[in-house]
Amino acid sequence: DTEVTQTPKHLVMGMTNKKSLKCEQHMGHRAMYWYKQKAKKPPELMFVYSYEKLSINESVPSRFSPECPNSSLLNLHLHALQPEDSALYLCASSQGRVGREGLNYEQYFGPGTRLTVT
Amino acid sequence: QQQVKQSPQSLIVQKGGIPIINCAYENTAFDYFPWYQQFPGKGPALLIAIRPDVSEKKEGRFTISFNKSAKQFSLHIMDSQPGDSATYFCAAVWGWANNLFFGTGTRLTVIP
Repeated sequence: DTEVTQTPKHLVMGMTNKKSLKCEQHMGHRAMYWYKQKAKKPPELMFVYSYEKLSINESVPSRFSPECPNSSLLNLHLHALQPEDSALYLCASSQGRVGREGLNYEQYFGPGTRLTVT
Repeated sequence: QQQVKQSPQSLIVQKGGIPIINCAYENTAFDYFPWYQQFPGKGPALLIAIRPDVSEKKEGRFTISFNKSAKQFSLHIMDSQPGDSATYFCAAVWGWANNLFFGTGTRLTVIP
């Protein structure tokens, strides 16, 4: 099973709202990622969590706040977004590199949340 | 700076044709090269991948050719079908967190 699930599938929010995106995987992966994808562009990395700790933040504005409550869950809290933040938000997971014997490079994506900011 | 360059931007082939998508990279630290297929409104799906010590890998109708000295790799789709119409991203991986560096994408259309 290589499934990453994301909720909700679609979200419309105003610029003053607070909302959260959720991501879940049950593959035992220890690295989880948030990406943002605009139309006709490749995904852009936002955050990386490794063993539930934030390890990479690609200079993302503070109106995006990630959270990793446990090894299976990843949240992205949204507050005071701008219309240009409208995009497909993708979650992904990977086993990560745990040593030469456990090398695993694959990163699996969820279906995404289509976010529209009005 | 785009670490992985991909071409063409779009490609139209007849059913049964063999579309070829090309990618090039500069960073020799990359050690894994996956291809992702993405349908509209869906997340990217891992299609096939190769490590740099292998020159070719086949999985079903999909083949990756890898040229380490030229720092280039390509995806060939044999006997293409209309259901293959999608956007294809090449990528390169390095780092402990399996950081993915995507190409710009190729929109493939297979005409029945």
